Amino acid sequence: RKEVEQDPGPFNVPEGATVAFNCTYSNSASQSFFWYRQDCRKEPKLLMSVYSSGNEDGRFTAQLNRASQYISLLIRDSKLSDSATYLCVVNSPAGSTLGRLYFGRGTQLTVWP
Amino acid sequence: DAGVIQSPRHEVTEMGQEVTLRCKPISGHDYLFWYRQTMMRGLELLIYFNNNVPIDDSGMPEDRFSAKMPNASFSTLKIQPSEPRDSAVYFCASSSNSPGYEQYFGPGTRLTVT
Repeated sequence: RKEVEQDPGPFNVPEGATVAFNCTYSNSASQSFFWYRQDCRKEPKLLMSVYSSGNEDGRFTAQLNRASQYISLLIRDSKLSDSATYLCVVNSPAGSTLGRLYFGRGTQLTVWP
Repeated sequence: DAGVIQSPRHEVTEMGQEVTLRCKPISGHDYLFWYRQTMMRGLELLIYFNNNVPIDDSGMPEDRFSAKMPNASFSTLKIQPSEPRDSAVYFCASSSNSPGYEQYFGPGTRLTVT
């Protein structure tokens, strides 16, 4: 079983729409969770960390459900510039692989005018 | 602050040639990662270092690949001999344990082996 599983999409939404991405992770001992964004032909960039209580950054809201080992990202009022691939990322718990992050395959989003 | 620096940005080489990719991590970061990304396989971890020591190289495809980190500010990934199937984008990333091991990526090296 993969450490992180994501719906690959693609998601195609109009400007102004609300869109949600989900992912699941396999290791219940993981402690740190992130969403990264990757534009076409660019490097992955940290979008936001995900905290247990949920957190919001402008139009972006991240949620974590430890019981279900489930992470979500909600984008409100989508902009054309939100078009990218969104990667769900989970850290390796303490041990020999401490420091390693596990990346999902990514969910592709296209926002159209 | 300077981010992760990689060179070259693009490399085109013929099969059988040696290729060396270079990375300078963010100052103060004690973890360094080498990834490879292709459409077919996505983002794959090749090897990572902590305090210049290789921790996990299980992702290195075969003996043709080798990586070194002689000091805290420099790492190389070498492919010898290169093959067309090595064509991919190679990313270097670095991180520290504060606050949560977030990794910061360099711009990548786009490698084409003909």
